[in-house]
Amino acid sequence: GIQVEQSPPDLILQEGANSTLRCNFSDSVNNLQWFHQNPWGQLINLFYIPSGTKQNGRLSATTVATERYSLLYISSSQTTDSGVYFCAATNTGFQKLVFGTGTRLLVSP
Amino acid sequence: DAGVTQSPTHLIKTRGQQVTLRCSPISGHKSVSWYQQVLGQGPQFIFQYYEKEERGRGNFPDRFSARQFPNYSSELNVNALLLGDSALYLCASSLGNEQYFGPGTRLTVT
Repeated sequence: GIQVEQSPPDLILQEGANSTLRCNFSDSVNNLQWFHQNPWGQLINLFYIPSGTKQNGRLSATTVATERYSLLYISSSQTTDSGVYFCAATNTGFQKLVFGTGTRLLVSP
Repeated sequence: DAGVTQSPTHLIKTRGQQVTLRCSPISGHKSVSWYQQVLGQGPQFIFQYYEKEERGRGNFPDRFSARQFPNYSSELNVNALLLGDSALYLCASSLGNEQYFGPGTRLTVT
């Protein structure tokens, strides 16, 4: 099955800094999603992005399907951005999302 | 609009017991998936149901079972609980490809 790898595993930023999170996947995908998991465990949808580029406020994402990677950009980071960011992908007919191991982000004031 | 809801929020069970977790999808969503998230790892796929039929199953033992009801809500059952079943159980619903997750049920097995 498909494999999903994320980097870096941990990231510490000062408030206001920019960051780039990377997701590599081993096969073509028909679904790729980015999530932010808050301290209470809730997975919050950031982007549904099997290909192309999207932006939502300070966050943007790009998936280059032909090269099998996706990038999540966070600009002007805030302390509320802290948490774990997951990339998840699938290439099956049913919606079995395969998650990466996550990037743990800590934004300090 | 209400998101995906799950109950209970927390649960403590003893080894060998059975547990039932419940999920209500977003209104209009016909597909429900279940995931298990062990501390420090990403969620792992357990089941997907669509229109009351199982469409996919992950690498979990037969102690895990699920069903979907005519109103598209779903239950996940785990029999003969082991300490290793302690985890956050997440339910997701979808209309198309994009999945939306509920807040999860945190199960502790002692």
